[in-house]
Amino acid sequence: DSGVTQTPKHLITATGQRVTLRCSPRSGDLSVYWYQQSLDQGLQFLIHYYNGEERAKGNILERFSAQQFPDLHSELNLSSLELGDSALYFCASSVEAFSGNTIYFGEGSWLTVV
Amino acid sequence: SQKIEQNSEALNIQEGKTATLTCNYTNYSPAYLQWYRQDPGRGPVFLLLIRENEKEKRKERLKVTFDTTLKQSLFHITASQPADSATYLCALGGFSGYSTLTFGKGTMLLVSP
Repeated sequence: DSGVTQTPKHLITATGQRVTLRCSPRSGDLSVYWYQQSLDQGLQFLIHYYNGEERAKGNILERFSAQQFPDLHSELNLSSLELGDSALYFCASSVEAFSGNTIYFGEGSWLTVV
Repeated sequence: SQKIEQNSEALNIQEGKTATLTCNYTNYSPAYLQWYRQDPGRGPVFLLLIRENEKEKRKERLKVTFDTTLKQSLFHITASQPADSATYLCALGGFSGYSTLTFGKGTMLLVSP
């Protein structure tokens, strides 16, 4: 158990809908990362927050947004969902924001768009 | 363009042998490289980190090398066991100033008894 908690574990929704994925980082970790994993693309970095502030952005679509709250939990909002958004979404956390940190992954949220 | 390449074909080896996985990268200057293990449907689990000024790192049956001239890392598992069967991901970091990692697509390792 990495200590990173993600909910929901599985989600099935229709195209055009909006969903929110939730992440609680490990106790004491200030950084939260979101990754998307699909079969053909591998693990793709979406966004990184540190202590409530956005630190880095990767291949995150404009239809997607994220935030980190004062209690350090984070939410990833996916809107106007398309079939291609079906993937495993991982949250990860680390103590600091800067290089050399180990990051700890949650078990992921399976999103299926039908 | 930036690329991280790991062998997309599964590596099949017999129990007790040494497994060697390769990670090659282009157009990156990472400060460090990490290796993760991922089981089907689970989150990646950190195994080892090696920095750009280190040539080799060991942890129990695991060994990682990092050659910044060749832009390559090798990941070895000695005395492999069926329980080592998983997908192994390499990840580069430190080039953006933050600890964001960029992952390769991984290589599946299958260890048969």
